Amino acid sequence: DAKTTQPTSMDCAEGRAANLPCNHSTISGNEYVYWYRQIHSQGPQYIIHGLKNNETNEMASLIITEDRKSSTLILPHATLRDTAVYYCIVSTFYNQGGKLIFGQGTELSVKP
Amino acid sequence: SQTIHQWPATLVQPVGSPLSLECTVEGTSNPNLYWYRQAAGRGLQLLFYSVGIGQISSEVPQNLSASRPQDRQFILSSKKLLLSDSGFYLCAWRVRDRATGELFFGEGSRLTVL
Repeated sequence: DAKTTQPTSMDCAEGRAANLPCNHSTISGNEYVYWYRQIHSQGPQYIIHGLKNNETNEMASLIITEDRKSSTLILPHATLRDTAVYYCIVSTFYNQGGKLIFGQGTELSVKP
Repeated sequence: SQTIHQWPATLVQPVGSPLSLECTVEGTSNPNLYWYRQAAGRGLQLLFYSVGIGQISSEVPQNLSASRPQDRQFILSSKKLLLSDSGFYLCAWRVRDRATGELFFGEGSRLTVL
């Protein structure tokens, strides 16, 4: 599975958009980009995933560059409850049991 | 709807004692199952995964083992705990045989080895 690079930490003002970048320059054609987040002392929560096209759901938007070497997760109106560690993962489901390998993630702090 | 249960939620064990963490999934069949560990202040490390009863794959060498005696039951064990086994253990499941799919996590078991 391709590896990802994310900033260690980011701050965002409450009510503003939070843009979390992820580099995955070695991504292969059949690998999806997944985003999860983990609020302190809880299990990670799925946010969104995509292959080539930009995706949007009720939680966030995922923007994937045309060459697929990087992506950005956008939380359009960040709230204090969005403070968490955000993980970007690239994986193909058919890789040995559909496992997901988590990196260190980005610690997002939303401040009032 | 599907649910995942882990227990115990918290435990404190002495070095050298055995360990058994249990995870069960309800509301689905033939799931892929996973055990992750998170040491203090660090990311999640995949320990084991299983694609079926009795089928266990280990990701990292360690003194832990996993078993899947039933389709929706996943157990993490150790015969003798080490201090380095302390951490937050998370069980997760995923629908098998789909091109994509989210990983659903339990609430975790926090283990402190003294």
